[in-house]
Amino acid sequence: AQSVTQLDSHVSVSEGTPVLLRCNYSSSYSPSLFWYVQHPNKGLQLLLKYTSAATLVKGINGFEAEFKKSETSFHLTKPSAHMSDAAEYFCVGGRGSTLGRLYFGRGTQLTVWP
Amino acid sequence: EAQVTQNPRYLITVTGKKLTVTCSQNMNHEYMSWYRQDPGLGLRQIYYSMNVEVTDKGDVPEGYKVSRKEKRNFPLILESPSPNQTSLYFCASSPSAKGAKNIQYFGAGTRLSVL
Repeated sequence: AQSVTQLDSHVSVSEGTPVLLRCNYSSSYSPSLFWYVQHPNKGLQLLLKYTSAATLVKGINGFEAEFKKSETSFHLTKPSAHMSDAAEYFCVGGRGSTLGRLYFGRGTQLTVWP
Repeated sequence: EAQVTQNPRYLITVTGKKLTVTCSQNMNHEYMSWYRQDPGLGLRQIYYSMNVEVTDKGDVPEGYKVSRKEKRNFPLILESPSPNQTSLYFCASSPSAKGAKNIQYFGAGTRLSVL
């Protein structure tokens, strides 16, 4: 069975400090993995996606994520948080490189303090 | 402008009264999907469609129906809504289900309340 677990429901950081949002997956197959962001009262927007071409994936707005097969993790990071990063973040997993049945983590609410 | 359009954006209805939430995309996307978002549960997939006339169940299909008669539209049908279907619903589409183009674009959401 496949699943995606976001390890923190809330993360708070000060502006200018690093951000770490954690995601673990379980899959019997090589997964497809995504991070999406949802700002208040908005739909979801893709931050980045994992393809087998590279384990370190760079996304928009300075975010990046590293796929670690040995740890079954796909953590999202950013070196320096900005106030505009405050939002909810979702880790999403699927089977292989084909969309179909998709599994969302429960979300991590990121708060950025001035 | 490329977009995924859901209608209505807000809906209040009563138990048992059939309703349809429409989803339309103007990007010729193959893949479409419906999700519901509930506090503390994140998003859960209801149904998805790999292409015209091809639909399949997601995580929580009970109480919902879908159809994909044409590429651009993917309506979500609640034949007999119940209060536990009160939720925020999102439709999404992707250029392709496979490979590098499997990136989903989300609609703005439909907030449904069933009394």
